Amino acid sequence: GQNIDQPTEMTATEGAIVQINCTYQTSGFNGLFWYQQHAGEAPTFLSYNVLDGLEEKGRFSSFLSRSKGYSYLLLKELQMKDSASYLCAPMDSNYQLIWGAGTKLIIKP
Amino acid sequence: GAVVSQHPSRVICKSGTSVKIECRSLDFQATTMFWYRQFPKKSLMLMATSNEGSKATYEQGVEKDKFLINHASLTLSTLTVTSAHPEDSSFYICSAPGVAGDIDTQYFGPGTRLTVL
Repeated sequence: GQNIDQPTEMTATEGAIVQINCTYQTSGFNGLFWYQQHAGEAPTFLSYNVLDGLEEKGRFSSFLSRSKGYSYLLLKELQMKDSASYLCAPMDSNYQLIWGAGTKLIIKP
Repeated sequence: GAVVSQHPSRVICKSGTSVKIECRSLDFQATTMFWYRQFPKKSLMLMATSNEGSKATYEQGVEKDKFLINHASLTLSTLTVTSAHPEDSSFYICSAPGVAGDIDTQYFGPGTRLTVL
């Protein structure tokens, strides 16, 4: 079957760094997306990885290891507005996104 | 970037009534759109794929007669929740595939919160 595993909730301090891990099992693989979702809002696109390695985009970076079925999202210089849920969504062989429940990130001053 | 809108953003209705939710791609054409629902603290669940000019493809367990989808044009898909019941209360989100730079991605609408009394 297809499965996504992320921590349910994480807490971090403003200004710090946090890494949100994601392991996945899918039928085929066509890349992995990370989305940010604030409460009551639709998800917004953060990053896409299809090759192994680290993709850096400003304060956010995303890493992928296809052989391990593993990805992480790294958030630096955390701001209060980063408090949100972060969704790891791999794309299967049918180009369908597989969604987990996401990780709720709480930022404390 | 590409924008997807949804209307209404919030709707409260009585049990037994039907509710129509519109999803529009504002500055690009979408032959395919996706409809999701999300319960509190749960993951997004794909309900169906809306195809312009043909029937929607429903995911297993989703009642096609209850959740009517019409993809009337290249910029509009509608989801009608027929004979709504309290258990249909949820956050409904649509998305359309697009390209951000060189990346194939999904552009999400802002969502519609449905509350059935």
